Amino acid sequence: QSALTQPPSASGSPGQSVTISCTGTSSDVGGYNYVSWYQHHPGTAPKLMIYEVSKRPSGVPDRFSGSKSGNTASLTVSGLQAEDEADYYCSSYAGSNNLVFGTGTKVTVL
Amino acid sequence: EVQLLESGGGLVHPGGSLRLSCAASGFTFSAYAMGWVRQAPGKGLEWVSVISGSGGSTYYADSVKGRFTISRDNSKNTLHLQMNSLRAEDTAVYHCAKCPGGIWSGYYSYFDYWGQGTLVTVSS
Repeated sequence: QSALTQPPSASGSPGQSVTISCTGTSSDVGGYNYVSWYQHHPGTAPKLMIYEVSKRPSGVPDRFSGSKSGNTASLTVSGLQAEDEADYYCSSYAGSNNLVFGTGTKVTVL
Repeated sequence: EVQLLESGGGLVHPGGSLRLSCAASGFTFSAYAMGWVRQAPGKGLEWVSVISGSGGSTYYADSVKGRFTISRDNSKNTLHLQMNSLRAEDTAVYHCAKCPGGIWSGYYSYFDYWGQGTLVTVSS
């Protein structure tokens, strides 16, 4: 199972929006509405930000939103804040009880 | 508060074995599937394995199948990962993670809480 493709980096100024893409195939992202997104500050525990494409766990600000079109899922962070600077990973169910992660995107707040 | 604390990492020679543990607290451990996710140095996250809440079902990534064994002790709220025939490419930080349901399936194929991880280095 190949990793989902994410851009290596993304950036924006405070208050702006940034969108991260996550491209897979019809066997994973395109085949299921089971895409999740995680925020990871290196050296700490990753944090769930989005599940089932667009659902937010309690406590996650509504500045974070998810969507999907075809084989590509997206995470949008609106109103960027300094604490949003982190690595972001998508994941998707890939059938047969397999899970695949994305390659990761480093978000920089300028 | 959900807490997951990994232990057992360290330096091991290629071909060697290591057993990781994850102590869980703050939730009814036996009610939830648990898993391991790793991150090699400079690389992204990689799903490794998941075990159902009862321990009756286990799932593995192809990269570790036949070499790693996941298990759990629900009486001690502890998750384990027995790693045998270790290779250099198994070098990574191993995170313990909690699933939102008792089983592993498409609907529950994500992790709602994670630990900080323990470093495993496979080198001669």
